[in-house]
Amino acid sequence: EAGVTQFPSHSVIEKGQTVTLRCDPISGHDNLYWYRRVMGKEIKFLLHFVKESKQDESGMPNNRFLAERTGGTYSTLKVQPAELEDSGVYFCASSPLGQGAYEQYFGPGTRLTVT
Amino acid sequence: QKEVEQNSGPLSVPEGAIASLNCTYSDRGSQSFFWYRQYSGKSPELIMSIYSNGDKEDGRFTAQLNKASQYVSLLIRDSQPSDSATYLCASSGAGSYQLTFGKGTKLSVIP
Repeated sequence: EAGVTQFPSHSVIEKGQTVTLRCDPISGHDNLYWYRRVMGKEIKFLLHFVKESKQDESGMPNNRFLAERTGGTYSTLKVQPAELEDSGVYFCASSPLGQGAYEQYFGPGTRLTVT
Repeated sequence: QKEVEQNSGPLSVPEGAIASLNCTYSDRGSQSFFWYRQYSGKSPELIMSIYSNGDKEDGRFTAQLNKASQYVSLLIRDSQPSDSATYLCASSGAGSYQLTFGKGTKLSVIP
């Protein structure tokens, strides 16, 4: 069974540019989450999708961040315009509905550097 | 502000010894607790989950939960060099899927 995949693995952009991160969850997992780790800090929650619906977006830092999950499969996280403080590693995770729903499986992350 | 605290380490143990990793949490409403292992540059890998007070064993790993003391621990028996990694403690509240992470403890198992 393939795990959570994320693309790209690394992205270097200039301040003010736009970047779109993609996450493909484990097949059949309806719960999808985005997290971020800023250097020196702990991993922090951004938002949670159940299928195509945003269940909890309380961790989104501001309106420069837009997450979508059209069709309830893969998800994208767009940062527009990027700021220096957006640098970090963005993780995606997924879990099934029902049994095991609380156990989240993480992807390898996208390392975003804003210069 | 919900917080999960871990000693950043590094924690060094000799091969074959028991490694003991500890974690405290501030939110008394936390219901679910998880230990993740993360190798450098890799994804966090779920290794243990625990939901009720007491011990839960899985192979060489034992998770311990004490909700009264707001304390979670992970014991790794017969530690191997391949166990060298950063161990992340995480919690979530009742009915919530939002994980709150600690900063992680770096474990080094010395051959």
